[in-house]
Amino acid sequence: KQEVTQIPAALSVPEGENLVLNCSFTDSAIYNLQWFRQDPGKGLTSLLLIQSSQREQTSGRLNASLDKSSGRSTLYIAASQPGDSATYLCAVRYTGFQKLVFGTGTRLLVSP
Amino acid sequence: DAGVTQSPTHLIKTRGQHVTLRCSPISGHKSVSWYQQVLGQGPQFIFQYYEKEERGRGNFPDRFSARQFPNYSSELNVNALLLGDSALYLCASSLAPAKNIQYFGAGTRLSVL
Repeated sequence: KQEVTQIPAALSVPEGENLVLNCSFTDSAIYNLQWFRQDPGKGLTSLLLIQSSQREQTSGRLNASLDKSSGRSTLYIAASQPGDSATYLCAVRYTGFQKLVFGTGTRLLVSP
Repeated sequence: DAGVTQSPTHLIKTRGQHVTLRCSPISGHKSVSWYQQVLGQGPQFIFQYYEKEERGRGNFPDRFSARQFPNYSSELNVNALLLGDSALYLCASSLAPAKNIQYFGAGTRLSVL
């Protein structure tokens, strides 16, 4: 069964901390992996897309890594800010399938 | 350029009614996907359309149907609404079905009473 798990479910940190969000998937035959941000009651904002042939992607203070052999991806956020407070979702597209399989997300709160 | 637009933003229906949700993809995008997000959960895949053909269908009952028009916009229809259909319905568009970034709209919040 193709599943995506995100740990922790919630995370609270003071402003300025560096933090890591984790995503694990059950099948190494992935096509790509995408990280999203979701603000309460809103749609999803794409943060980073990693193709299966890539090891990492960077955008500003965000860095996402992919390790297919261990079935893991991490999203690293440097120097966190209160505006980073949101739910972060990991989504995997498995090879041969059209759909994205989402985790349940990590709810991040960054306190001033 | 406009992003993915969905209408309406909010909708309240009663059990047994029918609902139609609409999605306009980013200009130039030919693939549209629909997802259902229940509160506290990740989105669940419902349908994907590319070049007006269904390319994928999730594990949803036949009460759910969709179509894509020649201008690549899409409709999601749900018949015989149940309380459990209350959710945020998200539309995503991309240039092609698999390789490219999926861009999501703000969603339609459906409440079934």
